[in-house]
Amino acid sequence: DTAVSQTPKYLVTQMGNDKSIKCEQNLGHDTMYWYKQDSKKFLKIMFSYNNKELIINETVPNRFSPKSPDKAHLNLHINSLELGDSAVYFCASSQDPGRHGYTFGSGTRLTVV
Amino acid sequence: QQQVKQSPQSLIVQKGGISIINCAYENTAFDYFPWYQQFPGKGPALLIAIRPDVSEKKEGRFTISFNKSAKQFSLHIMDSQPGDSATYFCAASMYNNDMRFGAGTRLTVKP
Repeated sequence: DTAVSQTPKYLVTQMGNDKSIKCEQNLGHDTMYWYKQDSKKFLKIMFSYNNKELIINETVPNRFSPKSPDKAHLNLHINSLELGDSAVYFCASSQDPGRHGYTFGSGTRLTVV
Repeated sequence: QQQVKQSPQSLIVQKGGISIINCAYENTAFDYFPWYQQFPGKGPALLIAIRPDVSEKKEGRFTISFNKSAKQFSLHIMDSQPGDSATYFCAASMYNNDMRFGAGTRLTVKP
């Protein structure tokens, strides 16, 4: 059983489109995250949700919006996609922020053409 | 603002050698320091972690050395193997806060 699963694994879309990436965790963790990894492998946090409440919202464009229907799911919606949004997006979860490690999903490679 | 600085950016080591990756942090409130290993096409996976009340932690061939006064910590991979070739990230966090990652080190172990 995959602990943190993301879909889709690959996403190719045109500029201006709206897309969503889904994430589910079966670990019972209270906190979920979205990270963006650029071409240089740098991991940058985008959002964090704790028990369905947003607790971190880094300076990302408001075209990106996280949605958490319950504590096991954290989806990422992206509107009006731009070329610069091309990256690998990782979902992660943690039982206790700052006390335990994160469990990452396998990533979604987004390519905007 | 990069709160965790990692070096080197890339590292090439011969099989059987020792790989050393260094990290430095700024915020003295950090109290949890993990290392993650990422293979191509996969997400980062927790490798080993340390808290500042100890100076060293060893798990198999992987050791974290921690220097609280210098605000530095490092990952040592003993007897490096080609299967260890991956990108390694150090990170730091504090209670109830998100984790800050270093920029990553791409390790290549040559046979």
